[in-house]
Amino acid sequence: DTGVSQDPRHKITKRGQNVTFRCDPISEHNRLYWYRQTLGQGPEFLTYFQNEAQLEKSRLLSDRFSAERPKGSFSTLEIQRTEQGDSAMYLCASSLGEGGRRYEQYFGPGTRLTVT
Amino acid sequence: EDQVTQSPEALRLQEGESSSLNCSYTVSGLRGLFWYRQDPGKGPEFLFTLYSAGEEKEKERLKATLTKKESFLHITAPKPEDSATYLCADSGAGSYQLTFGKGTKLSVIP
Repeated sequence: DTGVSQDPRHKITKRGQNVTFRCDPISEHNRLYWYRQTLGQGPEFLTYFQNEAQLEKSRLLSDRFSAERPKGSFSTLEIQRTEQGDSAMYLCASSLGEGGRRYEQYFGPGTRLTVT
Repeated sequence: EDQVTQSPEALRLQEGESSSLNCSYTVSGLRGLFWYRQDPGKGPEFLFTLYSAGEEKEKERLKATLTKKESFLHITAPKPEDSATYLCADSGAGSYQLTFGKGTKLSVIP
């Protein structure tokens, strides 16, 4: 078990550019979550997948944000036309779909996005 | 709207000085109360899940407890390596998302 991995770890982009992040969950986990964290705040929920189905989306997830999990394994989060307010740590987490520990979410190291 | 409030925002302890962190939550139909540890620049590390009032869990110098509207993280005889931000989160019925507090930044001075 290698844990949740995220790529890239850091991304610097210019305002108006598009960026895409990747998340690989723990192998047997069928639920995958995206959160965003800014300095001094706790993570804020963005969206959640069960297998390939996107089941919940936060109102924080504007039209410029899109997430996919095409084969129920890895997921991508794309931000179009980035704005300076998008600068944050983007965290991915995964959890088991069943069993006594199904609500426990395990986080990856995050992708730090800086929009200049 | 679900709210999670943590106090204090920051806490400085001498090595060996025990203390408690507080987390209050408002969600109805609590599915779980979660504690995480977060080091600077890293993702949150899972510590505990509590499901019902009266439940307690322990791990090394940490013990988490749960009441109907609060949870406490007790730190016994802390060491400098316990320095981190401790995050509390809840999950309510009908949703798998976690709602986090802002965290308590703990500093343990040798």
